[in-house]
Amino acid sequence: NAGVTQTPKFQVLKTGQSMTLQCAQDMNHNSMYWYRQDPGMGLRLIYYSASEGTTDKGEVPNGYNVSRLNKREFSLRLESAAPSQTSVYFCASSERVAGNEQFFGPGTRLTVL
Amino acid sequence: AQSVTQLGSHVSVSEGALVLLRCNYSSSVPPYLFWYVQYPNQGLQLLLKYTTGATLVKGINGFEAEFKKSETSFHLTKPSAHMSDAAEYFCAVSATGGSQGNLIFGKGTKLSVKP
Repeated sequence: NAGVTQTPKFQVLKTGQSMTLQCAQDMNHNSMYWYRQDPGMGLRLIYYSASEGTTDKGEVPNGYNVSRLNKREFSLRLESAAPSQTSVYFCASSERVAGNEQFFGPGTRLTVL
Repeated sequence: AQSVTQLGSHVSVSEGALVLLRCNYSSSVPPYLFWYVQYPNQGLQLLLKYTTGATLVKGINGFEAEFKKSETSFHLTKPSAHMSDAAEYFCAVSATGGSQGNLIFGKGTKLSVKP
């Protein structure tokens, strides 16, 4: 069991470039999440998908889009990257949203110049 | 709505000393409570969780936490710190149902352990 995997591990973009962060889980979980982590800010939820076919905004969705491709995969897209999106991005999954333990991927460290 | 406050962004203890990391929450419904640990350059790993039942919860690596409803607290403790405990710790709260079910994280407490 790989758990939650994320690609790439590191990425450097120029302002205005686009990219997609990939996430996959092999635990047959229904719910998946994207967070960003910034120093002193904890983890902030960008988007989540409670179940296959649904996505909802979290606390900080502006500048991002997501796709729940199937039950296993949940991608995060930056259409026009900005320096304020420099962060570490974590994908997580859980059996369902309410009250469940979330399992985290190793993270993607993104720098936008 | 739920919220979490972790008191102290940095805590430093000597090896062998008691570890106490503080977490207070607010929740309009009975909460589920979690502690996660993050080692440098890694993702978050669950230490322990409280859902219902026994208010003293034991987790991995010798950590435990006690749910105190009257104090709205869920403090994390370990009797004797080890160098390998140096990491960042996050407290999180979740509602027990509905659209409030997402985890809300505190800002984290970085634990340093001195030899």
